Amino acid sequence: GAGVSQSPSNKVTEKGKDVELRCDPISGHTALYWYRQSLGQGLEFLIYFQGNSAPDKSGLPSDRFSAERTGGSVSTLTIQRTQQEDSAVYLCASSWGNSNQPQHFGDGTRLSIL
Amino acid sequence: QKEVEQNSGPLSVPEGAIASLNCTYSDRGSQSFFWYRQYSGKSPELIMFIYSNGDKEDGRFTAQLNKASQYVSLLIRDSQPSDSATYLCAVHLDSSYKLIFGSGTRLLVRP
Repeated sequence: GAGVSQSPSNKVTEKGKDVELRCDPISGHTALYWYRQSLGQGLEFLIYFQGNSAPDKSGLPSDRFSAERTGGSVSTLTIQRTQQEDSAVYLCASSWGNSNQPQHFGDGTRLSIL
Repeated sequence: QKEVEQNSGPLSVPEGAIASLNCTYSDRGSQSFFWYRQYSGKSPELIMFIYSNGDKEDGRFTAQLNKASQYVSLLIRDSQPSDSATYLCAVHLDSSYKLIFGSGTRLLVRP
């Protein structure tokens, strides 16, 4: 498909487990973003990747959260020792490299921590 | 003060009416402005973007930007029940890649 692809679409796990969320951006898009959206809330910026530059991790809520982007394409967001407050929809977006370009979102991963 | 503010609504309009959604932002250096539509349980979908003062039209949608007043709006003409959704305003701060989102306005179009 031509859009941003995220997997899994749903993830249920026990508190304390680690989870990995995957994002495959639109082909050719050099910028990739992760957001989090809690129920009924707005979008919270987590991390940004642009080309080969160092990522902006300023939105990560704790050191349990990390992300990487391999080969300038696919990205993985990892949450270690999950907590109930981590339950949310995790959205990935991508865009062309210029700062004013629209971001296009994937369908998200709905994460539920039991 | 939030960086991007929207009335949470719900804004209720009858089918066929014009829906007017408003957004204000705090950073005077903001350069680009976006409207996303988000259906319940779905991800945000880009519907309009605007960079310059004035109006930009696309089908039934018109985005209006007034940088002096730090105000951006979205008009939806001939509103349809299928337009019922939450509309998110998003702003790029000056020379920044970060999109700052408002909390969204819920629109209800009554048949």
